[in-house]
Amino acid sequence: QKEVEQDPGPLSVPEGAIVSLNCTYSNSAFQYFMWYRQYSRKGPELLMYTYSSGNKEDGRFTAQVDKSSKYISLFIRDSQPSDSATYLCAMNGPGAQKLVFGQGTRLTINP
Amino acid sequence: SAVISQKPSRDICQRGTSLTIQCQVDSQVTMMFWYRQQPGQSLTLIATANQGSEATYESGFVIDKFPISRPNLTFSTLTVSNMSPEDSSIYLCSVDPGGASYGYTFGSGTRLTVV
Repeated sequence: QKEVEQDPGPLSVPEGAIVSLNCTYSNSAFQYFMWYRQYSRKGPELLMYTYSSGNKEDGRFTAQVDKSSKYISLFIRDSQPSDSATYLCAMNGPGAQKLVFGQGTRLTINP
Repeated sequence: SAVISQKPSRDICQRGTSLTIQCQVDSQVTMMFWYRQQPGQSLTLIATANQGSEATYESGFVIDKFPISRPNLTFSTLTVSNMSPEDSSIYLCSVDPGGASYGYTFGSGTRLTVV
C-alpha cells in the first residue's frame, strides 16, 4: 500500500464548476500537508500549505485536512481553463524533510 | 520564495553516456533535493544534498548511478550515469526556502530522453 493515494484521473469539468481533489494517507505522523499545481513541462508550484487539521482558504482555493480520517481535499471554486493542470498532494511529518507525494490528478477545465 | 534555475531544460542522450544536471538557487539554502518524475507518475525522491557532506540516497538509488555534488549553499549537480532508456524521465531539484511559508520550491525540471 502506498503511503499517499491520489486518484490520477483524468478529471474533466466545465468552466465555472466546483472541483474537488482528494488524497488519503496511511501515516498518522504526517502533520504538514501541501497541494502543488504542475503545468505541462513545468515544475510543481506550491498552491496551499496546511498544518494539522482544519481548513484554509486562498481566493478560489480551499484546502481541508481531516486527520481523523487521514483524508485531505482541495476545492477549486469557479474553475477556469487556466486551472487545467496536474494537482499533486504532498505531506510530511515533524522533523522529516522528505515530502511524500501523491500520484497527481490531471484536471482539465473545458470552456 | 527562492528562485531555482535548472539546466538543461531537456536533452536527448545516447545510452551508455552520462548527463549532468545543474541547479542554481538565488539564495543560500541548507538542503537541496533531487526528484525523478517518470511519465504519468508522481515525484520520487532520489537524494538529499547538504553542503559539505555526502548526499543521502533513498532506497533504490545509488551514488554510482546518480552522483551528486553540493559545492556551496546555492548550487548542486546531479549526474545520471551510464544511461539506459529506463532513465528517461523528468528530473527536478527542490529546496526548502525556510521561513513561515513552508512548502518546498521546485525548479522547472530537466526532461531527459535516452535513446
